[in-house]
Amino acid sequence: ETGVTQSPTHLIKTRGQQVTLRCSSQSGHNTVSWYQQALGQGPQFIFQYYREEENGRGNFPPRFSGLQFPNYSSELNVNALELDDSALYLCASTSIHGTGGNSYNEQFFGPGTRLTVL
Amino acid sequence: GEDVEQSLFLSVREGDSSVINCTYTDSSSTYLYWYKQEPGAGLQLLTYIFSNMDMKQDQRLTVLLNKKDKHLSLRIADTQTGDSAIYFCAESSLNQAGTALIFGKGTTLSVSS
Repeated sequence: ETGVTQSPTHLIKTRGQQVTLRCSSQSGHNTVSWYQQALGQGPQFIFQYYREEENGRGNFPPRFSGLQFPNYSSELNVNALELDDSALYLCASTSIHGTGGNSYNEQFFGPGTRLTVL
Repeated sequence: GEDVEQSLFLSVREGDSSVINCTYTDSSSTYLYWYKQEPGAGLQLLTYIFSNMDMKQDQRLTVLLNKKDKHLSLRIADTQTGDSAIYFCAESSLNQAGTALIFGKGTTLSVSS
């Protein structure tokens, strides 16, 4: 158990709809990252939030957006859903040890939300 | 760009050693990681290695790093059926605010009794 929880566990939407996924990070972790894991693939980095600000983004379009709240919980929003958005969405809260180029980040992953777009 | 490559499947007998290999491209990666994913579950960090190390051992797990060839391996000694899972190699990316992980596609380890 990592202490990271995600809701809902499963979700079915239709193309064009919007979806919000939620994540509660591990206590004391102020950084949260979101990943998309398509079937048979490794997780792909979507973006990261640090103290309520976006702090890095992968190769995902603007219809993927997020929020982080003062208690460090987070949301992932996806607008105008496409069939290819069907995937497992993983949230990870991060504990960063050290600084700069020698920083080691330990990411604790939640169980994920399985999104199916029909 | 950054890329992580892994072989897709490995099948071993219970009690044998398993070796999962990975190559990566980002020479600036400071840390490299191995994660395990069981069916329907999230990712569990197994171990990590700092880029200035050649080897790290943690109970049944041994990580070898060849930085010159950008090759990483995970050896699991005395493999058990409970080790059946997907194993992901990941490198940290300094291009993404320093804490994004770049994952391979995963190696499915199948352990038969």
